[in-house]
Amino acid sequence: QVRLQESGPGLVKTSETLSLTCSVSTASIRSYYWSWIRQPPGKGLEWIGNIYYSGSTNYNPSLKSRVTISVDRSKNQFSLKLTSVTAADTAVYYCAKDREVASSGAFDIWGQGTVVTVSS
Amino acid sequence: DVVMTQSPDSLAVSLGERATINCKSSQSVFYGSNNKNYLAWYQQKPGQPPKLLIYWASTRESGVPDRFSGSGSGTDFTLTISSLQAEDVAVYYCQQYYTTPRTFGQGTKVEIE
Repeated sequence: QVRLQESGPGLVKTSETLSLTCSVSTASIRSYYWSWIRQPPGKGLEWIGNIYYSGSTNYNPSLKSRVTISVDRSKNQFSLKLTSVTAADTAVYYCAKDREVASSGAFDIWGQGTVVTVSS
Repeated sequence: DVVMTQSPDSLAVSLGERATINCKSSQSVFYGSNNKNYLAWYQQKPGQPPKLLIYWASTRESGVPDRFSGSGSGTDFTLTISSLQAEDVAVYYCQQYYTTPRTFGQGTKVEIE
């Protein structure tokens, strides 16, 4: 069974850059789309963007100017950078895997999530 | 963006009774070339990540009890829990993966009456 694990600082200062990494275990990062999704406290789910193992990306237009998602195939990891953060970026951040090979699919595997708080 | 709207926002159902959640998309998520609806349903319990229940609108994920079923096509979809169990108390989300940005419904909270 594929497992995903998010890692990164739990506290980020206002206006700085949030950086998270998702480690993929027991499976290769090849051939799937990998997403970042966030959930503010007590609210719903927001898709941030995804990356194919080749490196091609798609971003949510609402965040596109501040987001970069990258992949490190040698480490079987993908990463999220979100710049110029504010309190509105405080959320649980999840990484997730598409179910379908090489095409759009439902998210069948999720990490446990990591809480990121933005504070001055 | 494709806007996903769920109804109701919350519902309370007696144990053993049927629970029905509706999801409407602002545009069709049906792809004619492969005859598939790009619609998924998730269950989220407190402190846990969402869990995939249904994909392609009506295909149950492996290990999901058969009391969960999905139906619908185009823009209108339904998740049905045929006989509510105590462990089904959760928030349920629909989500489209027809196009980016992928979008979720606002969630429906299911409780025991």
